[in-house]
Amino acid sequence: GAVVSQHPSRVICKSGTSVKIECRSLDFQATTMFWYRQFPKKSLMLMATSNEGSKATYEQGVEKDKFLINHASLTLSTLTVTSAHPEDSSFYICSARDQGWQGGGSLHFGNGTRLTVT
Amino acid sequence: GENVEQHPSTLSVQEGDSAVIKCTYSDSASNYFPWYKQELGKGPQLIIDIRSNVGEKKDQRIAVTLNKTAKHFSLHITETQPEDSAVYFCAASTLLTGGGNKLTFGTGTQLKVEL
Repeated sequence: GAVVSQHPSRVICKSGTSVKIECRSLDFQATTMFWYRQFPKKSLMLMATSNEGSKATYEQGVEKDKFLINHASLTLSTLTVTSAHPEDSSFYICSARDQGWQGGGSLHFGNGTRLTVT
Repeated sequence: GENVEQHPSTLSVQEGDSAVIKCTYSDSASNYFPWYKQELGKGPQLIIDIRSNVGEKKDQRIAVTLNKTAKHFSLHITETQPEDSAVYFCAASTLLTGGGNKLTFGTGTQLKVEL
């Protein structure tokens, strides 16, 4: 089945530094990837849609200058949390669609990155 | 925008019993409804999905039903086992104005299967 690999699984950084999270589709090409944020015991909140070769589309209330997204190839999207603060501490999860939903595609998730900002 | 409601928030069943989780959605244009299982500290895992041209789908102990008229869909797990214990999320796919799709998730159900 389709596999999405996310790295790192855990990261601790100091306030003011930047952190990059990678999301790779291992056995399929993904023109679109999605980045979610999840708070403890809460549902997934879509942050942005990452489009290969073009700018990401951010959800309302998500700062694009703080959460930089780059989708440089059909198998890799990265999320960089810039100038991280303790309130950015959260579980970040990426996902990728293996083909268009009209064509029968499904959305697959990585295993998430636990970010802790001290 | 789309709104997905999920019930119950917690569900406790005895091993071997069935578990049912229900979701409703608001956007009649939604046409794809996946279910995800999330274990602690991990990302959601797709367990089954259904498209709007189908009313029911089954995969071993898991089944999903869809009622488009009433705008609700349900997950059924039979013969539950302790390893089924996890948080389950339903979702609905919404068409965006500018094209493309977006998944809206329910609030999750913590399922606990007791021995």
